Amino acid sequence: DAKTTQPPSMDCAEGRAANLPCNHSTISGNEYVYWYRQIHSQGPQYIIHGLKNNETNEMASLIITEDRKSSTLILPHATLRDTAVYYCIVRDSNTGNQFYFGTGTSLTVIP
Amino acid sequence: NAGVMQNPRHLVRRRGQEARLRCSPMKGHSHVYWYRQLPEEGLKFMVYLQKENIIDESGMPKERFSAEFPKEGPSILRIQQVVRGDSAAYFCASSPVGWADTQYFGPGTRLTVL
Repeated sequence: DAKTTQPPSMDCAEGRAANLPCNHSTISGNEYVYWYRQIHSQGPQYIIHGLKNNETNEMASLIITEDRKSSTLILPHATLRDTAVYYCIVRDSNTGNQFYFGTGTSLTVIP
Repeated sequence: NAGVMQNPRHLVRRRGQEARLRCSPMKGHSHVYWYRQLPEEGLKFMVYLQKENIIDESGMPKERFSAEFPKEGPSILRIQQVVRGDSAAYFCASSPVGWADTQYFGPGTRLTVL
């Protein structure tokens, strides 16, 4: 699976949009981009995933660049409960059994 | 619809004892995955099981660790003769179809070895 690069930490003001970047320059055509988050040592929570097109659900939006070498997770109106470690993961859904969790981005939402 | 259930949530063992961690997948899910998270680190894959079959155990330590997912009942991760280095959070995930699908995680079991 391709390696991802994320900033180690970010801050965001409560009520503002949180934009979390992820670089995956070696991603291959079959690999999806997944985002999970982990709130204070709880189990990872699935957020969203996509292949090429931008995706949106009730939690977040995922913007994938045209060359697919990077993506951005957007939390449109961050709340204090969004403070967590966010993991960007790329996985080949044809062959990959597992998710490779790196160190992620520690997002702190500030009141 | 209950999520992935894990028990116990916290487990304390002395060195040399056995630890048994249980995982009940989400309803309708027949694929289970175990991950381990050491302090201050990301999750690391251990094993992938379907009912009565181990599909991928490439992340399992060669000794002392075993996993099963019987036809009836929860999946069990068993650690024999625990050592202090086994202290970690162990997370179970499940998916409905298989490795191509999104995995949903349980709350984890925190193992402390004294």
